[in-house]
Amino acid sequence: SAVISQKPSRDICQRGTSLTIQCQVDSQVTMMFWYRQQPGQSLTLIATANQGSEATYESGFVIDKFPISRPNLTFSTLTVSNMSPEDSSIYLCSVATAQTGDRDEQFFGPGTRLTVL
Amino acid sequence: DAKTTQPPSMDCAEGRAANLPCNHSTISGNEYVYWYRQIHSQGPQYIIHGLKNNETNEMASLIITEDRKSSTLILPHATLRDTAVYYCIANNYGQNFVFGPGTRLSVLP
Repeated sequence: SAVISQKPSRDICQRGTSLTIQCQVDSQVTMMFWYRQQPGQSLTLIATANQGSEATYESGFVIDKFPISRPNLTFSTLTVSNMSPEDSSIYLCSVATAQTGDRDEQFFGPGTRLTVL
Repeated sequence: DAKTTQPPSMDCAEGRAANLPCNHSTISGNEYVYWYRQIHSQGPQYIIHGLKNNETNEMASLIITEDRKSSTLILPHATLRDTAVYYCIANNYGQNFVFGPGTRLSVLP
């Protein structure tokens, strides 16, 4: 399995500011994803972080609001831009690793708990 | 991804088997069934997955019906630490995981 760390683990931010969340994996992985989990809700996929190219965003999420970088196979960042209280959520990084003779398994980081005042 | 349906909540006595059902009646032939759980304030944890054969690992067993339209996750001896939200996902290779609301399992002392 992959070990995933996220920084920061939590933050409290002011409206109108931006926060960049980092995701680091201990091994090279094929795919990296960013999810959002709003209070009391299930996980919603924001985008797939593609190494060396622009991220692929899900419906309802746009690059201007959630710019994503993935400079290599072990690291990605998600920025939450121009934040409002509605952005208060847990943001989770996940990775998929190709297992020999098996399907991709997906592993999740511990999440970043963001509160916007 | 095929839509899955799960009961919103279940209780289980500590030490007993917890049987969590999942319906995935529209699953396609090449979609796997995955189970994850999320303990409060943590990221989802992978439990098990399977295609059509029953699977067992150190955490749980997965029983998939012959027609693949439903499955059951079995925690053989539930403990208080198994209290979590359990997600059943039907997923094809390379596709994104779609999380439903899951089942909130409460293991009671």
